[in-house]
Amino acid sequence: QKEVEQNSGPLSVPEGAIASLNCTYSDRGSQSFFWYRQYSGKSPELIMFIYSNGDKEDGRFTAQLNKASQYVSLLIRDSQPSDSATYLCAATLGGNNRLAFGKGNQVVVIP
Amino acid sequence: GAVVSQHPSRVICKSGTSVKIECRSLDFQATTMFWYRQFPKKSLMLMATSNEGSKATYEQGVEKDKFLINHASLTLSTLTVTSAHPEDSSFYICSALYSGQDLAYFGEGSWLTVV
Repeated sequence: QKEVEQNSGPLSVPEGAIASLNCTYSDRGSQSFFWYRQYSGKSPELIMFIYSNGDKEDGRFTAQLNKASQYVSLLIRDSQPSDSATYLCAATLGGNNRLAFGKGNQVVVIP
Repeated sequence: GAVVSQHPSRVICKSGTSVKIECRSLDFQATTMFWYRQFPKKSLMLMATSNEGSKATYEQGVEKDKFLINHASLTLSTLTVTSAHPEDSSFYICSALYSGQDLAYFGEGSWLTVV
């Protein structure tokens, strides 16, 4: 089993709609979880981090963490064309500061 | 957020030569830095974890003698691709762990093309 999995294919959403991205992780010792946005040809940019169960909101972004289910999600409200990018889920692996990434989900916001 | 600078952003080298890529944390000290490689349309692949003052920890399948990592100070880690081959052409990205915030910030990435 991969350490961090993002299985959904490309996601197309109309402008103004909600984009929902999901991620699961295998290491129960993981404590910190991150969502990065990566534009084509660019380095990833941190957009959200979450450590505790529940929801965390920052502007149009909401991260949700469920440690019992080993599940992290990201919601993008009022999607804009500038949100079109690949979104990477990441988790620290217990005890050694390694940061493991999922393969990413491409989001396309259609004007 | 914190700033991590990577240099060079693009480099072209001849097959068989070596290339050094630098990763600097500009406004914080980073005891831990990570080096990733990313092929087009693929996910980030962790190559190694670099700890200041000690040997890097390489991921399985990554040749430590080919990808030399040095983390001699709290603000600088370097990756040297030795005896580069065309298959080493890739996007190399570093990230630095900001311990105080437990967050990892990425450098801008370095495009390596081996001809």
